[in-house]
Amino acid sequence: DQQVKQNSPSLSVQEGRISILNCDYTNSMFDYFLWYKKYPAEGPTFLISISSIKDKNEDGRFTVFLNKSAKHLSLHIVPSQPGDSAVYFCAATPTSYGKLTFGQGTILTVHP
Amino acid sequence: EPEVTQTPSHQVTQMGQEVILRCVPISNHLYFYWYRQILGQKVEFLVSFYNNEISEKSEIFDDQFSVERPDGSNFTLKIRSTKLEDSAMYFCACSSGRRKETQYFGPGTRLLVL
Repeated sequence: DQQVKQNSPSLSVQEGRISILNCDYTNSMFDYFLWYKKYPAEGPTFLISISSIKDKNEDGRFTVFLNKSAKHLSLHIVPSQPGDSAVYFCAATPTSYGKLTFGQGTILTVHP
Repeated sequence: EPEVTQTPSHQVTQMGQEVILRCVPISNHLYFYWYRQILGQKVEFLVSFYNNEISEKSEIFDDQFSVERPDGSNFTLKIRSTKLEDSAMYFCACSSGRRKETQYFGPGTRLLVL
């Protein structure tokens, strides 16, 4: 099941710089997209979401961009902080209460 | 901030044994989910539960699995006869009726089947 793909297994960024995490999807029925952060031995923590009727959503240091024609979304973290180091998952769902389909995750490391 | 809790945090069991994983969702949330993550793999959906019945289940969720909301606060996942391949991290999640798409996850139960 490759409906949601995160092609970069890892990303390394310097503190204070921008982190850009990417996600592609194939299912046109997906209507909501979410980003989660996960630390080892913990559950995924919700970060930010976007509906398919929007192309951008911002929350503090986190911005998610959605390009429906390219079936691509990205998460921007500005400025990056060492505490942001974690695994980031994108997820998608076709309905507002439906199952989430997750990508494989990207390990983000922010160096001081 | 309200959070989802799960017990136990770790469970080791013998193949063929029954296990029950427990979750206490956020109060007043209406939609409940179980996901699992096998080591090194994606987080994958198992089942969703709303209004005291299963609303959707994956092909993984076969007759060996069942879910229950026994007392209005707990949400349980039962595996009747565990297999080696059931070893995984199991996550409970829930969402409210307001921002339905946002699912909040518990810390997980690590299940090891020997």
